[in-house]
Amino acid sequence: GAVVSQHPSWVICKSGTSVKIECRSLDFQATTMFWYRQFPKQSLMLMATSNEGSKATYEQGVEKDKFLINHASLTLSTLTVTSAHPEDSSFYICSARVSYSGNEQFFGPGTRLTVL
Amino acid sequence: SQKIEQNSEALNIQEGKTATLTCNYTNYSPAYLQWYRQDPGRGPVFLLLIRENEKEKRKERLKVTFDTTLKQSLFHITASQPADSATYLCALAPWNQGGKLIFGQGTELSVKP
Repeated sequence: GAVVSQHPSWVICKSGTSVKIECRSLDFQATTMFWYRQFPKQSLMLMATSNEGSKATYEQGVEKDKFLINHASLTLSTLTVTSAHPEDSSFYICSARVSYSGNEQFFGPGTRLTVL
Repeated sequence: SQKIEQNSEALNIQEGKTATLTCNYTNYSPAYLQWYRQDPGRGPVFLLLIRENEKEKRKERLKVTFDTTLKQSLFHITASQPADSATYLCALAPWNQGGKLIFGQGTELSVKP
């Protein structure tokens, strides 16, 4: 149980285009999902907290107009990187919190974004 | 300032030995702390969660301790195997922040046969 999927697993795009990443909880409902980014050899940095049916809460320094988050249902959250630039190239990972069982967070497999 | 620190140097041990990884934090009051395993190019995999009122948790060959006085958690893998080689991340959840996790930088473990 507690499986989280992400799609796509990798994407290459041109500078200036937008990219959407999906995060799904497959066998449970997630009222809260989180989005992280990870640069090579570094740890995970929280970008935003996504609550179903409400606006996402962004961490300091993360542009909400650049990284659009939509949590439309209890099993799906999306992150859209708008007008992507090469510095947005990173590993993006989502997680979902299983609140009924003690707050464990389960992570998706990640999405490798490369902006040319 | 607030910090969560793990040994940045890689840990190399012989198969069969116990691996012990350290996670120290300052200026946080964690409600709980989680340990994850991460393989290259993959998302973290949940291993164990320990609450601030718990001293120790076990799961198969894994053991986690939590000392809120020392502000430290230790993660042990007994009878280590080459398949245990990975980066291990600790993450703490501050009180009243909706389950947000703050991650350490991770410790790379290498178990040699």
